[in-house]
Amino acid sequence: EVQLVESGGGLGQPGGSLRLSCAGSGFDFSVYGMNWVRQAPGKGLEWVSFISSSGKTIYYADSVKGRFTVSRDNAKKSLYLQMSGLRDDDTAVYYCARVWLSTSSAFDYWGQGTLVTVSS
Amino acid sequence: SSELTQDPAVSVALGQTVTITCQGDSLRSYYASWYQQKPGQAPVLVFSGKNNRPSGIPDRFSGSSSGNTASLTITGAQAEDEADYYCNCNSRDSSTNHYVFGTGTKVTVL
Repeated sequence: EVQLVESGGGLGQPGGSLRLSCAGSGFDFSVYGMNWVRQAPGKGLEWVSFISSSGKTIYYADSVKGRFTVSRDNAKKSLYLQMSGLRDDDTAVYYCARVWLSTSSAFDYWGQGTLVTVSS
Repeated sequence: SSELTQDPAVSVALGQTVTITCQGDSLRSYYASWYQQKPGQAPVLVFSGKNNRPSGIPDRFSGSSSGNTASLTITGAQAEDEADYYCNCNSRDSSTNHYVFGTGTKVTVL
């Protein structure tokens, strides 16, 4: 069974840092591109970042570029999001999501999410 | 523009058909994918591309596209289909690729 489990969320200070992790199991993690997607309370989905299966190709949304860094460790079957320069509007549930190999744009499995709250 | 616009809410009688639309310039170049999200849960992929339905998704979910508009149709809506639905697609701005999500549509089954 494919599983994605996020961790690392919690309370962050404005201007501070947090590191999110996403552990994959039940599939060959090293073959799949991965994404981070967030959802502010009561709002819609917002794509945050993509990293290719090898880690060589990375994209960011303009809203996080220069502040967030995505990485992965295929040996540990894990995806990471280093968040720095936190702002109030970074408050959201953060999901990791796998890219479906049948298409290049669909996200076929999602974790349950981890809540990040930015507040002083 | 890389924005994807959806109607905020639609309603459908039990057993009837409802179509949700998603509009944006990126859809002229890329196929859309569709996600169902119920309160307190992670999104679930229900349809993608020209004709891709993930395993386990009922065949009452289907998709289509024309020009700058993608559509998700639920034929014979069930009570369990009541949820928020989001579209997404690839997008390309100047020198970088990214993804974009639609604004979301709340589907109510009456």
